[in-house]
Formats: sequence, structure tokens, C-alpha cells
Amino acid sequence: GAVVSQHPSWVICKSGTSVKIECRSLDFQATTMFWYRQFPKQSLMLMATSNEGSKATYEQGVEKDKFLINHASLTLSTLTVTSAHPEDSSFYICSANQDVQPQHFGDGTRLSIL
Amino acid sequence: QKEVEQNSGPLSVPEGAIASLNCTYSDRGSQSFFWYRQYSGKSPELIMSIYSNGDKEDGRFTAQLNKASQYVSLLIRDSQPSDSATYLCAVRAGGTSYGKLTFGQGTILTVHP
Repeated sequence: GAVVSQHPSWVICKSGTSVKIECRSLDFQATTMFWYRQFPKQSLMLMATSNEGSKATYEQGVEKDKFLINHASLTLSTLTVTSAHPEDSSFYICSANQDVQPQHFGDGTRLSIL
Repeated sequence: QKEVEQNSGPLSVPEGAIASLNCTYSDRGSQSFFWYRQYSGKSPELIMSIYSNGDKEDGRFTAQLNKASQYVSLLIRDSQPSDSATYLCAVRAGGTSYGKLTFGQGTILTVHP
């Protein structure tokens, strides 16, 4: 149980492109979903927290106009990186939990901006 | 001061030995504690969760929690080369934190044959 699916797993695109990443909880209703990014050899950095039907809560220093988060249902959240640039290249990982249960992570999306 | 701090690595143990991973946290209001394993290039995978003081065992893994000392640990018995990974300690506060986790910096474990 507690499977989180993330798509796509790998994206390579040109600078200035917008990229959408999907995160789905497959066998449970996710009360909350989280978006992280991780640079090589560093720990996870929380970008934002989203609850279904509410605006996402962004961590300090994360540009909300740059990283658009939509949590349309209890099983789907999307992260759109708008007008991506090479410095946005990173490993983006979503996670989800139901109420007080542990967070379970998707497989991650490796984003490379040329 | 870091909110969640793990013992510095990397940690190297021989196959079959016990690997001991330690974590301290600063927020006394923390209520839930987790250990995740992350293989290189992959996302974290939940290994253990622990919520009350004492030991919790699951197969070769034992988590230990001492809230008075603000300390949580993970023991891996009979370590295998497949246990080689980065282990992340994560702490969740109570209240209205919406389940937000605070992660330690991770400890790299290498189990050599």
C-alpha cells in the first residue's frame, strides 16, 4: 500500500520552456502533498506543501510564480516549473500522506534544462 | 544550529555487522520520527516510523526513541551490501504543521563484503 506515482521520471528541455510534473497517490487519498527538490549530494529541500482545494504554502525563498502548484483532487498534485532555466535543473520529488500517516515518496523527476 | 542532526559519515561496516545510525533533534514538540533510505539517484523509501519512547523492531531494523534526550537511532543487524545507501532521519512536529518533515543531512552507509 501507500504508492505514490510521479511522472515524468526524466525531462530534458530548452531554456524558457515550462515543465509540468504530476504526482498521484494510487491507493490512498492524500490529505497533503509535498514538493521537494534535491541537488547532488545534498539533503531534500522542501519547496511547498499543498492541501486539496487550497493554495499551496511555499517555503521561504521559493518563488511561487516560478513553481506553480495545483492540488486539484485528493489523489493528484502538479508542479509546473515556468520558464525554466538551467539553474532550475534538479531532482524534484513529491510525497504524500494521509492524515497522520508517514509521507511516502514518488520516484522523482530529474529535470535538465539546456 | 541544525534542527535535525545526524552522525557524520560516511559509515563503513563489514557485512554481517551491526550498523548504528544516530539522530538528534531540537524541537521538543516533535511527535513523529522516521527513517528513510535513499539509494543514489533514487527517491527516499520509508524504513521505519516510531512515535513513542522505546524500541521498535521490524526485521533487521530497530528504531530507538528517547524523547527526553531528543534522540532517535536506527540499528541495522546483519548488515548486507544492499543496505549501502544514504539514511535520512526525519522529524515531524505536532500542531498545525500539516505533516511537514524536517530532515537531517543524511548518513552515508557502506557495507563492504
